[in-house]
Amino acid sequence: AQKVTQAQTEISVVEKEDVTLDCVYETRDTTYYLFWYKQPPSGELVFLIRRNSFDEQNEISGRYSWNFQKSTSSFNFTITASQVVDSAVYFCALSAGGYGGSQGNLIFGKGTKLSVKP
Amino acid sequence: EPEVTQTPSHQVTQMGQEVILRCVPISNHLYFYWYRQILGQKVEFLVSFYNNEISEKSEIFDDQFSVERPDGSNFTLKIRSTKLEDSAMYFCASNWDLNTEAFFGQGTRLTVV
Repeated sequence: AQKVTQAQTEISVVEKEDVTLDCVYETRDTTYYLFWYKQPPSGELVFLIRRNSFDEQNEISGRYSWNFQKSTSSFNFTITASQVVDSAVYFCALSAGGYGGSQGNLIFGKGTKLSVKP
Repeated sequence: EPEVTQTPSHQVTQMGQEVILRCVPISNHLYFYWYRQILGQKVEFLVSFYNNEISEKSEIFDDQFSVERPDGSNFTLKIRSTKLEDSAMYFCASNWDLNTEAFFGQGTRLTVV
C-alpha cells in the first residue's frame, strides 16, 4: 500500500530563517512520482514540484530546494530565507507510475502548516 | 495561463438534497479527478476519469456519488443525498498524462446543514 507521512504538523519560524519540511513515503512500486503542493490560506492547491523515482538529483528553484533520497524513502523540502508569504500548508504526495488503474491518483500526506512570522 | 475552473466556490445545502459540483478542466487534458478535503485534514482521492469512464474510485466514492462529462468541457460531481459528513472542500484536478503533475481548481466548499 502507498503511504505518505509528514510528521511535522506545524512549524513556526521567524522571517529569513531556513526551514525544512519532511516527507517520508512508502510504496512497493518501482516507478512512482513524488510531489509537493502548497495550500495558502485562500485554500487552493498550488503545484510546486514533481520528481520521478529514477531521478534522485536534488533540485533548486529560487529559495526552494528539494532533497530526494530513495535509500531513506524521503523527499524533503527546504525553504531558504523564509518570507511571510511562505505561510501555508504544504502537502507531499505520491502517485504510482505507468498507466492504468491507480496510476495518476495522488496519495497525500497530512500536510505541514508553516507559519512565518515577521 | 490555462487553469482548472470550479463553480460554485461555496455551496450550502440541506441534508438529503442533491448537489452538483462543476469543473472545467484544462482544455487539452485527458485525465480528470475529484478530491475531497475535510476541514483541517488531508486531501483524499475520490475518483479518476478517463475516456468517458471512471478509471478508479476510492472507498469514499460510494453509490451516493457519480461523475459525468456531459460535454467536451465540463466535468461534474453529483452527490445524490447529501449527509452532514459530506461537508468539505471538493477539488477538481486534471492532467494531460497520468505521469505529469495534476493541476487543481480553486475548490468548492460544500456545507451541508
